[in-house]
Amino acid sequence: AQSVTQPDIHITVSEGASLELRCNYSYGATPYLFWYVQSPGQGLQLLLKYFSGDTLVQGIKGFEAEFKRSQSSFNLRKPSVHWSDAAEYFCAVGAGTASKLTFGTGTRLQVTL
Amino acid sequence: DVKVTQSSRYLVKRTGEKVFLECVQDMDHENMFWYRQDPGLGLRLIYFSYDVKMKEKGDIPEGYSVSREKKERFSLILESASTNQTSMYLCASRPGPVNIQYFGAGTRLSVL
Repeated sequence: AQSVTQPDIHITVSEGASLELRCNYSYGATPYLFWYVQSPGQGLQLLLKYFSGDTLVQGIKGFEAEFKRSQSSFNLRKPSVHWSDAAEYFCAVGAGTASKLTFGTGTRLQVTL
Repeated sequence: DVKVTQSSRYLVKRTGEKVFLECVQDMDHENMFWYRQDPGLGLRLIYFSYDVKMKEKGDIPEGYSVSREKKERFSLILESASTNQTSMYLCASRPGPVNIQYFGAGTRLSVL
């Protein structure tokens, strides 16, 4: 069975500091990996995805993530956080054509000024 | 842009009521999903549909049913609402061949 672990429930960073959110997955085949962001009171917005190819993927809002097969990880990074990045972030894993995505429990990011 | 619209942002219902949550997408997507989101539990899949009148159970279907009579509309039904169904409900849609899901803004349901 596929699963996703986001070990950090809550992270606080200062505006302008760098950010890394951790995601570890368990999946029997080649995974398709996603990061979504949820602003307060909103639905989920896709930040970036990894399907194949270059293991460093770029997304919207200046985010990037690196797929490391050996570590079963897909960590999200941003070099300089803005106050507007405060939100909840979800990592998800699925297959290319199958319907289901499995989501992690989320990491809530707080940004201090 | 893909638009997934959930008919209500907030709902308050009483225990035992029949509740309908509606979701409409405007991109002719084959697949539609209903999730519930609870603090510390992330998103859990209730039901999904890969075509009109087709449905499959997700991870937590108990207490819920769904209806998909038209391609653009996917309804979640709570036959007899209970307090433990108080939650945020998220609808998503996905085009057939590509595993990217697009989400609505969510419906926060309170069952009193």
